[in-house]
Amino acid sequence: AQTVTQSQPEMSVQEAETVTLSCTYDTSENNYYLFWYKQPPSRQMILVIRQEAYKQQNATENRFSVNFQKAAKSFSLKISDSQLGDTAMYFCAFFNNAGNMLTFGGGTRLMVKP
Amino acid sequence: DARVTQTPRHKVTEMGQEVTMRCQPILGHNTVFWYRQTMMQGLELLAYFRNRAPLDDSGMPKDRFSAEMPDATLATLKIQPSEPRDSAVYFCASGPGTGSSLSGNTIYFGEGSWLTVV
Repeated sequence: AQTVTQSQPEMSVQEAETVTLSCTYDTSENNYYLFWYKQPPSRQMILVIRQEAYKQQNATENRFSVNFQKAAKSFSLKISDSQLGDTAMYFCAFFNNAGNMLTFGGGTRLMVKP
Repeated sequence: DARVTQTPRHKVTEMGQEVTMRCQPILGHNTVFWYRQTMMQGLELLAYFRNRAPLDDSGMPKDRFSAEMPDATLATLKIQPSEPRDSAVYFCASGPGTGSSLSGNTIYFGEGSWLTVV
């Protein structure tokens, strides 16, 4: 079974600064996807970024980028130029392509301070 | 703009009543998940389906919960009888599932059904 660990329950960052959220996972699979979801107070789950395990290049979406270290089973999210609207819970998730299982970490609550 | 649609968005019901939550996955998606989120326990997987067949419902209390996919466009989650501890946000999510290519395999969430049992 896969496990996903987010070791930082809460983090804060000053507006316009950069912050990195950590995520590690455990799997014996070779083909899989990793996701970061953002959940603002509205509780909507918004996909932030996705990484395919077979791609070595780190995914980037505007101010969001990941540092994917497959051997280390690490998948951190970097938010550059943090904005007040980035304040939310962030969930790391592992998608097992073989079994179609989507496993979540416990989440990191990010507060962006003005 | 394809999206996962959940109804109802909000539901307040009395203990003991039956609650049915519905989900319309994105057209063409063959994998459907039901998650429950409470303040204390984060996201719990209740059940998931592939091609309408239940693959795993081990996270679901069987005595009162049931999940089905009557057809490819509808997934349901029922609670009977409901209890105050069932109060939570229930999310449905869908994805295109496995295929010959891994590309495009992204899981999308509905906006959730907020359930309060009093």
